[in-house]
Amino acid sequence: GESVGLHLPTLSVQEGDNSIINCAYSNSASDYFIWYKQESGKGPQFIIDIRSNMDKRQGQRVTVLLNKTVKHLSLQIAATQPGDSAVYFCAENNAGGTSYGKLTFGQGTILTVHP
Amino acid sequence: EAQVTQNPRYLITVTGKKLTVTCSQNMNHEYMSWYRQDPGLGLRQIYYSMNVEVTDKGDVPEGYKVSRKEKRNFPLILESPSPNQTSLYFCASSWLGGVYEQYFGPGTRLTVT
Repeated sequence: GESVGLHLPTLSVQEGDNSIINCAYSNSASDYFIWYKQESGKGPQFIIDIRSNMDKRQGQRVTVLLNKTVKHLSLQIAATQPGDSAVYFCAENNAGGTSYGKLTFGQGTILTVHP
Repeated sequence: EAQVTQNPRYLITVTGKKLTVTCSQNMNHEYMSWYRQDPGLGLRQIYYSMNVEVTDKGDVPEGYKVSRKEKRNFPLILESPSPNQTSLYFCASSWLGGVYEQYFGPGTRLTVT
């Protein structure tokens, strides 16, 4: 696969455990926050998003939490499976501003799930 | 099958030799974007396009050009490639009302010697 994960934060979990991946964002004006998953050798894949007027959103086996006070975003994966092993990126977007088309990504976190 | 395609997937070239990486999507998306991915730096946006003939700079546009003459295509042009443009490049597309949910292509690995 592609070596895009050098020097990234890593998280190792056992299959069946819950995983929590954290992200600090920088722009107070951002109003959309997004999580992407990138498997080895592939392009990123959208997982879930949350608007700034929410503090929690749930999807299938995933929950995103947003704390605007401390500019923190987290992704919780329930009952983690080996297929969840990937690099996870948070991203932010200012949908209401003049730079609507700009998406700013974080550095990423490597999640490894052990059977 | 709904997809974003990029060509070539791998390219090795020399400094100064103009090249184009093509991107095409079959989802009728208005929005398209180019990113580069480097170890430890995540994805950085190069250029994006909100619709045909509308393009804007991302965070790292220097050394790149784009054009959007057709809705489905968004080529990335390197007029005079340099070694610091060696990277993994991704094209993405989305509906204009949901640029947070982008569909990414498989990537193009470019090496400039």
